[in-house]
Amino acid sequence: GENVEQHPSTLSVQEGDSAVIKCTYSDSASNYFPWYKQELGKGPQLIIDIRSNVGEKKDQRIAVTLNKTAKHFSLHITETQPEDSAVYFCAANKALYGQNFVFGPGTRLSVLP
Amino acid sequence: NAGVTQTPKFQVLKTGQSMTLQCAQDMNHNSMYWYRQDPGMGLRLIYYSASEGTTDKGEVPNGYNVSRLNKREFSLRLESAAPSQTSVYFCASSDGLAGTDTQYFGPGTRLTVL
Repeated sequence: GENVEQHPSTLSVQEGDSAVIKCTYSDSASNYFPWYKQELGKGPQLIIDIRSNVGEKKDQRIAVTLNKTAKHFSLHITETQPEDSAVYFCAANKALYGQNFVFGPGTRLSVLP
Repeated sequence: NAGVTQTPKFQVLKTGQSMTLQCAQDMNHNSMYWYRQDPGMGLRLIYYSASEGTTDKGEVPNGYNVSRLNKREFSLRLESAAPSQTSVYFCASSDGLAGTDTQYFGPGTRLTVL
């Protein structure tokens, strides 16, 4: 079954700087990798995803890169803003128990004004 | 269009008490899920329902039961609550179980078992 690791567990950046969160996965059969953002007191919300047939995807200030050989993928946030402060989860599909995904443990991002 | 709704938002139980967490979705999704979220452990799947009338165990099913009441509703029951079940519970839904089907989450239920 799939196992997903995520680093760092906490990240603080100054407003305007970039933030990078990295995830590794174990199952080479995984082919879809979503990223979720969870704001305080709310449920996780999908912000971007990437499929294994592309190496990079960008949506305004956020981008995700995928290295299938190394089995890792990363979330990049540029020009960070205070509203980017949240917990971010990566995930990979092809889970053991028949559900869609296995989630990483999360990264708490704080953007300091 | 409310998406995924959960009730209650907060609950405090004593050890041994029972309760049911309710979840409903209005997106006409086939699949629904229950997760628990504990600090530093991400989201762990408790049970899921691929379609109306079916349920299956996830990673951490012990101590829980579920009912897929109809296509919209999926409930989670704790028959005899234990302190280890103190957690935040999230319900989610997706169009199906395909590996690329996006899961949409509810706002969560924060449960404390004393």
